[in-house]
Amino acid sequence: DVKVTQSSRYLVKRTGEKVFLECVQDMDHENMFWYRQDPGLGLRLIYFSYDVKMKEKGDIPEGYSVSREKKERFSLILESASTNQTSMYLCASSPGARGADTQYFGPGTRLTVL
Amino acid sequence: QKEVEQDPGPLSVPEGAIVSLNCTYSNSAFQYFMWYRQYSRKGPELLMYTYSSGNKEDGRFTAQVDKSSKYISLFIRDSQPSDSATYLCAMSRTDKLIFGTGTRLQVFP
Repeated sequence: DVKVTQSSRYLVKRTGEKVFLECVQDMDHENMFWYRQDPGLGLRLIYFSYDVKMKEKGDIPEGYSVSREKKERFSLILESASTNQTSMYLCASSPGARGADTQYFGPGTRLTVL
Repeated sequence: QKEVEQDPGPLSVPEGAIVSLNCTYSNSAFQYFMWYRQYSRKGPELLMYTYSSGNKEDGRFTAQVDKSSKYISLFIRDSQPSDSATYLCAMSRTDKLIFGTGTRLQVFP
């Protein structure tokens, strides 16, 4: 079974803090993704990566950056957390051609920024 | 207009009912169609995957795709309280998956 793990289930941070969210997958997938999920807005793509050290902006990259130093690990960084970044953050990975193949999700990190 | 439209619900049904969940889409370039199930405070898990028009069955679940009408459905037979979750449709084009916003389903005993 594909397993995608995320470093924290729940996280509370203060405005202005730098926040790191870690994601690890164990299936040697090429592609990894970061989404945020908000009520009524669904899943919105923040950043994705097709290969180590490669990254591409998704639909809402502002206020975020990412790092992929190893194939299995994809990190999301909130440079200076703000209250409007309070959300559920979901990491996903997929084996196929770019982003078009089935994606497997981690359990999510519920981030609250005070 | 969103590329994928999905009624948010909630949909509340008694145990044993047949449930129909639907999505419509506007982009004829979509090639693959998926349904994910998401329990409260968990990540989405893949439920069904199909790439052609017609029906695909897996146990109590049937996924239906009608490309001519740009309409996909998920049917759940003999629904159980454990089916209570949010169901998201997803569709792929060449570069990304596009998700519906999800339909919340509650099956009561």
